[in-house]
Amino acid sequence: NAGVTQTPKFQVLKTGQSMTLQCAQDMNHEYMSWYRQDPGMGLRLIHYSVGAGITDQGEVPNGYNVSRSTTEDFPLRLLSAAPSQTSVYFCASSYSIGGGGTEAFFGQGTRLTVV
Amino acid sequence: GENVEQHPSTLSVQEGDSAVIKCTYSDSASNYFPWYKQELGKRPQLIIDIRSNVGEKKDQRIAVTLNKTAKHFSLHITETQPEDSAVYFCAAAATGNQFYFGTGTSLTVIP
Repeated sequence: NAGVTQTPKFQVLKTGQSMTLQCAQDMNHEYMSWYRQDPGMGLRLIHYSVGAGITDQGEVPNGYNVSRSTTEDFPLRLLSAAPSQTSVYFCASSYSIGGGGTEAFFGQGTRLTVV
Repeated sequence: GENVEQHPSTLSVQEGDSAVIKCTYSDSASNYFPWYKQELGKRPQLIIDIRSNVGEKKDQRIAVTLNKTAKHFSLHITETQPEDSAVYFCAAAATGNQFYFGTGTSLTVIP
């Protein structure tokens, strides 16, 4: 099992550009989510999905879009990059036990810089 | 929504001493409390977790305690070693994978 795979590992964007961060998991997990990590602020939830075709907003969703067409993939789209979106992004997946939380497995992260 | 506070933000201990990190949460619906360790440049990895129907859980040198009434939970690391040096995050979740993380504690174990 590869676990959770994110691409790219590093990315530099110019203000206003768009891009998609890819996330794939091979553990057949129902739940997938995206977090951003900024110094001194921990990890903050951007968007999450409880299964294919179902997505919802987290704490900091503005400027980001997601879709979940398959169980395996959960891409994060930046619509028009802004310097405030400079951060490290983590994708995570976990399985369902009837609504209770379970261990989240994280990808290796994407370091994004917007200039 | 949930609000998780974590203290201290930095912690230095001598090798062999104990380290304690404390977190509080606000949402009484939260029922799952994991702790993650993140080494520099790496992804967060689960080290221990506890559910709301349990008051304490131990795994070798690591233990977590939960006080549901007071809405706080703590991580205890005994006999610390240099390889314990990392950033530790607490989190709370009510459902699925909607985790709310604390702001992290940078632990340094001095040899």
